[in-house]
Amino acid sequence: GAVVSQHPSWVICKSGTSVKIECRSLDFQATTMFWYRQFPKQSLMLMATSNEGSKATYEQGVEKDKFLINHASLTLSTLTVTSAHPEDSSFYICSARDVALGSEQYFGPGTRLTVT
Amino acid sequence: GQNIDQPTEMTATEGAIVQINCTYQTSGFNGLFWYQQHAGEAPTFLSYNVLDGLEEKGRFSSFLSRSKGYSYLLLKELQMKDSASYLCAVSPYNTDKLIFGTGTRLQVFP
Repeated sequence: GAVVSQHPSWVICKSGTSVKIECRSLDFQATTMFWYRQFPKQSLMLMATSNEGSKATYEQGVEKDKFLINHASLTLSTLTVTSAHPEDSSFYICSARDVALGSEQYFGPGTRLTVT
Repeated sequence: GQNIDQPTEMTATEGAIVQINCTYQTSGFNGLFWYQQHAGEAPTFLSYNVLDGLEEKGRFSSFLSRSKGYSYLLLKELQMKDSASYLCAVSPYNTDKLIFGTGTRLQVFP
């Protein structure tokens, strides 16, 4: 149980375009979802926390107008990278948590974004 | 804030034991997690420490000392498949989020 999926698994886009990444909890209801970014050979950096039906809370230094997060249901959160630039190329990982399952976060398989 | 430090890289031999340390400076946290991450994949949960002491889970054990500000992950009977990055993370008080350490890349050699 506690499976989280992401779509797409990888995407290549041109500079200036927008890309949407989906994160779904498949067999549980995610009261909270998190979005992380990971550059090569680096650790995960938390970008934002989203709770279903409310606005996301962004970490310091993360532009909320550039990284749009929507958590419309208990099983789906989306991250849209707007006006993408090559420096946005990274591995984006979501995780989900259900308080009923405890403290653990369940991670999605990640999305590799390459901006050309 | 939280500064969570780990050694960048470690190497070990198959069958051996390795200890990966995690030191932190944080104002307070609910618990400390350890995750394993293979290249290009999502992190997978290994252990969670709330209280001081050792938590054992098969070949993996994790230790926490809040007073000394450190944790370690102990891997026994190393296997080639244990070559991966190991990430410690803390969950700050009154939040659900995880703040990850710098991560340690472990390479196991035959």
